[in-house]
Amino acid sequence: NAGVTQTPKFRVLKTGQSMTLLCAQDMNHEYMYWYRQDPGMGLRLIHYSVGEGTTAKGEVPDGYNVSRLKKQNFLLGLESAAPSQTSVYFCASSPRVNQPQHFGDGTRLSIL
Amino acid sequence: RKEVEQDPGPFNVPEGATVAFNCTYSNSASQSFFWYRQDCRKEPKLLMSVYSSGNEDGRFTAQLNRASQYISLLIRDSKLSDSATYLCVVNIADSWGKLQFGAGTQVVVTP
Repeated sequence: NAGVTQTPKFRVLKTGQSMTLLCAQDMNHEYMYWYRQDPGMGLRLIHYSVGEGTTAKGEVPDGYNVSRLKKQNFLLGLESAAPSQTSVYFCASSPRVNQPQHFGDGTRLSIL
Repeated sequence: RKEVEQDPGPFNVPEGATVAFNCTYSNSASQSFFWYRQDCRKEPKLLMSVYSSGNEDGRFTAQLNRASQYISLLIRDSKLSDSATYLCVVNIADSWGKLQFGAGTQVVVTP
């Protein structure tokens, strides 16, 4: 069972570069989420989607964009990477509102 | 004030002992509560949902106190493998499926 798959697992970028993180789920979940986790802080929601073709801003959306063109995929983009975006990024999905979320194993991103 | 607050710990627990810790939440309208477990540098994994009447899953017991707005997790007969960070998770009552995560309580079980 694949569940939620994130690619890449690790990436180092230079300031100003762009990149896209891919999240794919095979559980037919409607809801998908992107979080970042920094030391000493809880997971913070960046963007989320309640269905194919829909996206919405979370707690810390600045500097990120997302797209949900297919139900199973949720992409997170960094247009111009900044050192403050160095973090561990987790994608998650859930079948319905208020249901537990299933997480991918994370992308460790360093911006130099 | 943070929406979900946890004692960061660490709680150092001898193997076989019992440990318990709480999590407080600020939104009285919150309806869904969960405990997740996160191992170092790994993804969070659902440990258990928390129901109004309290619930138990093996050595783990979760309680909800709506009047005082906190949930608790108790671990009995602690195992070395229980060493992890435990995340308290509460739904944001005025949103669509969004969950608010606490920063976690670290538990270290020692031989």
